[in-house]
Amino acid sequence: DGGITQSPKYLFRKEGQNVTLSCEQNLNHDAMYWYRQDPGQGLRLIYYSQIVNDFQKGDIAEGYSVSREKKESFPLTVTSAQKNPTAFYLCASSIGSTDSGNTIYFGEGSWLTVV
Amino acid sequence: AQSVTQLGSHVSVSEGALVLLRCNYSSSVPPYLFWYVQYPNQGLQLLLKYTTGATLVKGINGFEAEFKKSETSFHLTKPSAHMSDAAEYFCVNVVPWSSASKIIFGSGTRLSIRP
Repeated sequence: DGGITQSPKYLFRKEGQNVTLSCEQNLNHDAMYWYRQDPGQGLRLIYYSQIVNDFQKGDIAEGYSVSREKKESFPLTVTSAQKNPTAFYLCASSIGSTDSGNTIYFGEGSWLTVV
Repeated sequence: AQSVTQLGSHVSVSEGALVLLRCNYSSSVPPYLFWYVQYPNQGLQLLLKYTTGATLVKGINGFEAEFKKSETSFHLTKPSAHMSDAAEYFCVNVVPWSSASKIIFGSGTRLSIRP
């Protein structure tokens, strides 16, 4: 079955550590996205990529980094510069740009907690 | 400015009763509108979407929504609530022919079903 796989589901980070969240899709989608979700709030865009080897900052990119070396993979690194990283992180993809009305498909999410 | 407002962060209905989740949007151009559902600790799943054409859109699990330009609304309805409908629902506004940063998520409405 095609889909988006995020790992790990739960991750604990110590202060000052960088951690990387994995996102893999086998939908052959060109566009991929990372969102952050905090309780009681909607999703906020961290980074997005519309094509391999290219990505753009979203609304809350500070303290995060990404890479897009392969079409199917879009890992997110939460750096120590992110002061409040505890949140639910969602990876998503779409066949093309959403500005054509394409549906965004989501992974199951990853919980990151700072300890 | 583009925006989306979900009225009521929490809605509670009895099993078998009508479900009505409200969404109003603001957009300088005719938007694309989506409703997603999220079950606890999971990703978002598409319920339905409006891009062009028929303004009454039918989705999965018996849900439907009507695009009303005059009222700038895209309310989600279901004639008869089921216990399995308990979840969080997000209305999403996408500005056509724009970047991914123009995908605006509402803050969500948590739907509870009373036995």
